[in-house]
Amino acid sequence: GENVEQHPSTLSVQEGDSAVIKCTYSDSASNYFPWYKQELGKGPQLIIDIRSNVGEKKDQRIAVTLNKTAKHFSLHITETQPEDSAVYFCAASNFGNEKLTFGTGTRLTIIP
Amino acid sequence: KAGVTQTPRYLIKTRGQQVTLSCSPISGHRSVSWYQQTPGQGLQFLFEYFSETQRNKGNFPGRFSGRQFSNSRSEMNVSTLELGDSALYLCASSPSSISETQYFGPGTRLLVL
Repeated sequence: GENVEQHPSTLSVQEGDSAVIKCTYSDSASNYFPWYKQELGKGPQLIIDIRSNVGEKKDQRIAVTLNKTAKHFSLHITETQPEDSAVYFCAASNFGNEKLTFGTGTRLTIIP
Repeated sequence: KAGVTQTPRYLIKTRGQQVTLSCSPISGHRSVSWYQQTPGQGLQFLFEYFSETQRNKGNFPGRFSGRQFSNSRSEMNVSTLELGDSALYLCASSPSSISETQYFGPGTRLLVL
């Protein structure tokens, strides 16, 4: 089955700097790659997603890149703010398979 | 539009008991997925339902089961509880597929003593 690896497990950055989280997947059939943000006491919230027919997607300060050949995708957060502090999860699925596999999570801390 | 609701929010059970958790998806959403979240194993997919049919399931023992009703509400059941079943159980809904924007509920925190 699909296996998703996520790095780093923890990340601390100064406010205003950029943060990058990387994930690799094993199943070449995966074609949907969402990123979730989870704050303490809450369920995960989708922040951005990308499909395999697109190499990059951007939404304000957040961007995701996908390299299908290398089977890895990354989350980029620019101009970080204290409210970006949370745990971030990447995931992968194969449309039609209806099964979502998550990475192990990255705890991002923004230092004021 | 109301979000995904899960009941109860907290549960304490003892080993050997069984438990039923409930999830009400966003109105109009027909796909409901369940996940188990633990510090050691992270977020793990349990199963996904669409139109009362289970379309896929994760690698969990048969003690974990679920169902979906005609109004898309879903329940999951865990029988013969073990200490290792202590976790946050999350439900998510989407219009028709797990490969669409999924909206998660706040979860049910289960503690097995």
